[in-house]
Amino acid sequence: GQQVMQIPQYQHVQEGEDFTTYCNSSTTLSNIQWYKQRPGGHPVFLIQLVKSGEVKKQKRLTFQFGEAKKNSSLHITATQTTDVGTYFCAPPLSGNQFYFGTGTSLTVIP
Amino acid sequence: NAGVTQTPKFQVLKTGQSMTLQCAQDMNHEYMSWYRQDPGMGLRLIHYSVGAGITDQGEVPNGYNVSRSTTEDFPLRLLSAAPSQTSVYFCASHTGFSGELFFGEGSRLTVL
Repeated sequence: GQQVMQIPQYQHVQEGEDFTTYCNSSTTLSNIQWYKQRPGGHPVFLIQLVKSGEVKKQKRLTFQFGEAKKNSSLHITATQTTDVGTYFCAPPLSGNQFYFGTGTSLTVIP
Repeated sequence: NAGVTQTPKFQVLKTGQSMTLQCAQDMNHEYMSWYRQDPGMGLRLIHYSVGAGITDQGEVPNGYNVSRSTTEDFPLRLLSAAPSQTSVYFCASHTGFSGELFFGEGSRLTVL
């Protein structure tokens, strides 16, 4: 079956440092979505990537989809305390459902 | 639009009790799903539905039942609660694998 790993599971950074989380799949993905969950909150959609090699930016967040469509990354430049939370990549499963792994929990130290 | 509404937000059960977590969406989405979230385990899919009258199992379906009699509602039933079902439950809806998931605010369940 589909194997998707997201690393790291936890990351502590000083405010102002950069942060990257990676999502790696054993199979080619048709697309991948990214979500953010604030502590005590629910996951909120950030972006969807569809094309091979696609790069999308949202202010300080940069999302990439690998050329082989087997990996993806989320990079945050100059983290702020508002970036705290867990970031999930969510590739599609069969039945039009999505797989959410363990995510990466980001702590930003002021 | 209210989006996805889950009730209750908090619930404490005793082992063996039954209950239903309610989920309703007002976006006319075909697809609805239930996830559970446990520390260190991420979000795991319990059951999902691709339309009224159609449901299917996800990764961790045991101990849970669902039905989808209308497009709007997708209740999750625990027939005989166990401590292992202590978790935060999220309902979500979307329009397909190219559509973003909209999540409810979650239901925190404790089984003693």
